[in-house]
Amino acid sequence: DVKVTQSSRYLVKRTGEKVFLECVQDMDHENMFWYRQDPGLGLRLIYFSYDVKMKEKGDIPEGYSVSREKKERFSLILESASTNQTSMYLCASSLSEVLLGQPQHFGDGTRLSIL
Amino acid sequence: DAKTTQPTSMDCAEGRAANLPCNHSTISGNEYVYWYRQIHSQGPQYIIHGLKNNETNEMASLIITEDRKSSTLILPHATLRDTAVYYCIVRVGGGTSYGKLTFGQGTILTVHP
Repeated sequence: DVKVTQSSRYLVKRTGEKVFLECVQDMDHENMFWYRQDPGLGLRLIYFSYDVKMKEKGDIPEGYSVSREKKERFSLILESASTNQTSMYLCASSLSEVLLGQPQHFGDGTRLSIL
Repeated sequence: DAKTTQPTSMDCAEGRAANLPCNHSTISGNEYVYWYRQIHSQGPQYIIHGLKNNETNEMASLIITEDRKSSTLILPHATLRDTAVYYCIVRVGGGTSYGKLTFGQGTILTVHP
């Protein structure tokens, strides 16, 4: 089974802090994604990566950055946390899109609260 | 990506089959149908996907109509743990697709004893 592991289920940080969310997958997937999920707004893509050291902006990249130094690990960084970044953060991974129809597999999410 | 329409909520008795419909009348030829579910406070769980043919795995079956304008997810023997929000998503499955998933409102499935 595909396993996508997010480092924390719950996290509480203060405004202005630099926050790191870590995600590791064990299936040698090329693609990795960071989403946030908010009530009434659904799932929104922040960043994704299709290879090591490669990254692409999603729909809402402002205030975030990412790092992918190794294939299995994709980190989301909140440069200076703000209260409007309080949300559920979801990491996902999938095989390359060249292989048609590959589904994305999600971690359990990190519920981040910024005080 | 094609728009999907799902019922807001459904009920099912434990042990019975749960049949969740999804309409996607504007689906294109290269778009796949994916089903995910999300239990409260957990990440979405991939269930099954298909292009044209019916598909079955250890979790569920996916029935796609011949014109591909609608599909049905079947949970053959629903249990209380199947209570969740079920999302039907239609998107291009490969090539240079953007890659993102967009969840609609989904169907709240409640399995009762």
